[in-house]
Amino acid sequence: NAGVTQTPKFRVLKTGQSMTLLCAQDMNHEYMYWYRQDPGMGLRLIHYSVGEGTTAKGEVPDGYNVSRLKKQNFLLGLESAAPSQTSVYFCASRRNEKLFFGSGTQLSVL
Amino acid sequence: SQQGEEDPQALSIQEGENATMNCSYKTSINNLQWYRQNSGRGLVHLILIRSNEREKHSGRLRVTLDTSKKSSSLLITASRAADTASYFCATRTGANNLFFGTGTRLTVIP
Repeated sequence: NAGVTQTPKFRVLKTGQSMTLLCAQDMNHEYMYWYRQDPGMGLRLIHYSVGEGTTAKGEVPDGYNVSRLKKQNFLLGLESAAPSQTSVYFCASRRNEKLFFGSGTQLSVL
Repeated sequence: SQQGEEDPQALSIQEGENATMNCSYKTSINNLQWYRQNSGRGLVHLILIRSNEREKHSGRLRVTLDTSKKSSSLLITASRAADTASYFCATRTGANNLFFGTGTRLTVIP
């Protein structure tokens, strides 16, 4: 039982490049979330999903897209990366009220 | 905008002492949760307190909630070096999102 797995763990992009972050959970949870964590800012919600085939915007959705084609996977895409998207990205799934987090992806955009 | 803010931002204590962290929030909540984050890792759920509860215990953790003051406190008793981490409060105001505070960085000196 791996819980929530994020790939990759580290990535460096140049401005304008695109990439996809993958989140996979094996707990059969309906709800999944993407957060970003910046120094002094806490965690901010980017997008979330309440079930397979659904997505919704969070607090800071601009510049990101998501897809939830399969219940166990939640993908976060950056179409044209900007330096302001340098951050640590966390995926989480939810059971009842509790969130279960992955170990994060550290992304640097140069 | 963030819902919760922790105080203090950083706290350093000796092993065996108690550690108290406070969280203030802005609007009515359904529940309030506390999470721990070890350096370079994802967040781990510690404890949840509902809006109709005033105090809750879990092992060495004690959480209080004062909805009239819109504040909560987390007490860790008999601290250990392994308790060194960042602690975040998170509040649920609606069905889907959990708003995180900026965190308290706790250092327990052996």
